[in-house]
Amino acid sequence: DTEVTQTPKHLVMGMTNKKSLKCEQHMGHRAMYWYKQKAKKPPELMFVYSYEKLSINESVPSRFSPECPNSSLLNLHLHALQPEDSALYLCASSFVETSGRIDTQYFGPGTRLTVL
Amino acid sequence: LAKTTQPISMDSYEGQEVNITCSHNNIATNDYITWYQQFPSQGPRFIIQGYKTKVTNEVASLFIPADRKSSTLSLPRVSLSDTAVYYCLVNTDKLIFGTGTRLQVFP
Repeated sequence: DTEVTQTPKHLVMGMTNKKSLKCEQHMGHRAMYWYKQKAKKPPELMFVYSYEKLSINESVPSRFSPECPNSSLLNLHLHALQPEDSALYLCASSFVETSGRIDTQYFGPGTRLTVL
Repeated sequence: LAKTTQPISMDSYEGQEVNITCSHNNIATNDYITWYQQFPSQGPRFIIQGYKTKVTNEVASLFIPADRKSSTLSLPRVSLSDTAVYYCLVNTDKLIFGTGTRLQVFP
């Protein structure tokens, strides 16, 4: 299995809603990532989990809350979002070498989020 | 902080070879260079990865000069289905994608 899956595919939410994005992989990868991608822009790193521990938080607002329940799952909890948070949210996973070097990332199809 | 730049767009015709260059002046000693392809509303798809000189797989080649401050993705004999955005990524801990190159292939 060389696939990263993400649910839902599309999500529309109001600014007062609470929702969650889910990501799953079964490749034995021990690093998982959340990226945000606006239209016609490259993906921007939000969070990195390595061995189920948050290792990188790129100064993301607290209305985005990541969670890594186990080595195969990654969630992104959303609360009180703003319209400018509308974007494609991408999950990725990779092996982590013993040196700490990040190996090739494999991306999911993304969740298209619209905040009204 | 690595700054990774690419041409905004390129046009080609079916059957031609396409070379897309990425500039990464601040690449660190241990950094690898990875190239991805992305179609609209899909996640990036891995194409190729390298550290130095030349790497080739079944879909592309990657050329990296000795100073490693740039890299060139070579797509042989492109087809219409290669129309996409291509990103280079320097595998630092900041995982900063290049600006992306929109490739349009014409019949």
